[in-house]
Amino acid sequence: QKEVEQDPGPLSVPEGAIVSLNCTYSNSAFQYFMWYRQYSRKGPELLMYTYSSGNKEDGRFTAQVDKSSKYISLFIRDSQPSDSATYLCATLKAAGNKLTFGGGTRVLVKP
Amino acid sequence: EAQVTQNPRYLITVTGKKLTVTCSQNMNHEYMSWYRQDPGLGLRQIYYSMNVEVTDKGDVPEGYKVSRKEKRNFPLILESPSPNQTSLYFCASSPPRDTDTQYFGPGTRLTVL
Repeated sequence: QKEVEQDPGPLSVPEGAIVSLNCTYSNSAFQYFMWYRQYSRKGPELLMYTYSSGNKEDGRFTAQVDKSSKYISLFIRDSQPSDSATYLCATLKAAGNKLTFGGGTRVLVKP
Repeated sequence: EAQVTQNPRYLITVTGKKLTVTCSQNMNHEYMSWYRQDPGLGLRQIYYSMNVEVTDKGDVPEGYKVSRKEKRNFPLILESPSPNQTSLYFCASSPPRDTDTQYFGPGTRLTVL
């Protein structure tokens, strides 16, 4: 069983809709939770970062972590075609440790 | 411009022919890492380096070598490539305590025939 599971998609939504992405993880030692965005033919780039349970908002993006159920979510409001990308969740046990990635979910936002 | 560069971006080779993929960063980062990305498996770490002359295995190190003789460079070496090493490879770097915020290179697509 992979330590971080993510539905591969693709997830197709119309422009302006809310995109809802999630990951589950199995290791309760994970303390830090990230979302990376990867455009086609590019390397991943950090989008959101959270530590411990709760919500974090940044513009149209909201990241949620529920450590009790080992569940990570990313919501994109008012989605744009430029949000079309693969979204990877990632976790860390401690600062300076290696990242463990989910498989990524491909998102398509249609105009 | 702060960046991680990789070369080559695309490579087709044959089984057993040694190759090196270079990685260089201009951000003075101590931590550097190599990943491979395969459909459905996400990014898996091959090797990482906490600083010059300090390297360690990641999750999938078999068939790969690395070296870290200078802070900015972290080449990935495939001494005898095999078809199961056909993949998309990424180099990344970060400050040592900020591995959550890794800066990734543009990727190298390797095909081993």
